[in-house]
Amino acid sequence: GAGVSQSPRYKVAKRGQDVALRCDPISGHVSLFWYQQALGQGPEFLTYFQNEAQLDKSGLPSDRFFAERPEGSVSTLKIQRTQQEDSAVYLCASSSPGNTEAFFGQGTRLTVV
Amino acid sequence: AQSVAQPEDQVNVAEGNPLTVKCTYSVSGNPYLFWYVQYPNRGLQFLLKYITGDNLVKGSYGFEAEFNKSQTSFHLKKPSALVSDSALYFCAVRAHMDTGRRALTFGSGTRLQVQP
Repeated sequence: GAGVSQSPRYKVAKRGQDVALRCDPISGHVSLFWYQQALGQGPEFLTYFQNEAQLDKSGLPSDRFFAERPEGSVSTLKIQRTQQEDSAVYLCASSSPGNTEAFFGQGTRLTVV
Repeated sequence: AQSVAQPEDQVNVAEGNPLTVKCTYSVSGNPYLFWYVQYPNRGLQFLLKYITGDNLVKGSYGFEAEFNKSQTSFHLKKPSALVSDSALYFCAVRAHMDTGRRALTFGSGTRLQVQP
């Protein structure tokens, strides 16, 4: 596609529910990143994939957070047993081997009530 | 560890005046530096980057930034501000590719308000 696509754009979850957030990177981009952006803050790194391999998951805040990219393209970020502190915008970004900059999707705004 | 500081939460400037948004960074080794802009309910849009070479880099929409290694700074500048430049600006850093860590570390953002 023309850009990074994320779905859904908005998600409201009741506390304790599981959620799954989807990211379609730019075609051909091997690197994929997930970031969490709390209200009024800068994005914070969650995890990084190169193709299907998850090379860095040091930013995942707890074992309730899980990400996968099984075929090296679409990625899913799953949050189990959501808590209010998980409320944030989740941003996905991708980059190609020849580029140093990452291109971001519009994000998914998660609200846990 | 790498970090970015954006000391100003908000910068106000009159349309037509020059603008500067400040950024300082800390990283092991040579840095890759970036500026992104975020409009309401939108994702981050890439503006410009410094990788190597000329310390003054030019980017989209007339923006430029100056890399200063001795001051570990990468301030964003524009000679003449437009009302449409009003947005949230983020500075980001990552270490040189050879050191492995690919993730960006972002500053807390600076809101630019350009008054007509």
